[in-house]
Amino acid sequence: KAGVTQTPRYLIKTRGQQVTLSCSPISGHRSVSWYQQTPGQGLQFLFEYFSETQRNKGNFPGRFSGRQFSNSRSEMNVSTLELGDSALYLCASSPQSSGASYEQYFGPGTRLTVT
Amino acid sequence: ILNVEQSPQSLHVQEGDSTNFTCSFPSSNFYALHWYRWETAKSPEALFVMTLNGDEKKKGRISATLNTKEGYSYLYIKGSQPEDSATYLCAWPIQGAQKLVFGQGTRLTINP
Repeated sequence: KAGVTQTPRYLIKTRGQQVTLSCSPISGHRSVSWYQQTPGQGLQFLFEYFSETQRNKGNFPGRFSGRQFSNSRSEMNVSTLELGDSALYLCASSPQSSGASYEQYFGPGTRLTVT
Repeated sequence: ILNVEQSPQSLHVQEGDSTNFTCSFPSSNFYALHWYRWETAKSPEALFVMTLNGDEKKKGRISATLNTKEGYSYLYIKGSQPEDSATYLCAWPIQGAQKLVFGQGTRLTINP
């Protein structure tokens, strides 16, 4: 099976712009989660989607949004970019069968730089 | 506050030496603990999912133990090799929230 893929891998944007990142989960996985990693902060949970519904959201401002399509692919959008949004954004998918252990499989990430 | 803490933050080990590091997590409402290995420019790779107190799992030269009553897990690497250089993350799933809470990671560098 192909792994989780994310596009683009690298992105440079200017402050005030918006950006859309894309994630394709492992075939058959219906849960997709997004995480942000900044230096010194570790991986911070953004949100999780299952069957096109957002089930949980982390503590991020409303400028961060996402959606999931019927084929389980997901996008996240950041509007009005700030310098502090520069980070690695990771997507992870999870099989429904993982239950309480909530196994997640990660993509390689999108490195966003805001100038 | 649900904190997952890892120590040390970074570690330099001579090739061939063995090493270990720690993950501590909330001991209440335990469901599982995940260990990931994250090499630079690659995807985090799942190493172990540990679910039972006293669990010990092994994958080649890497093993992990779990103590859910006191809220800690150890990751051991025996006979370190340069390819073991990576950041090792532990993560704790929050039941009902479909998310993982990650530690800051231990950055391991193996010196040849």
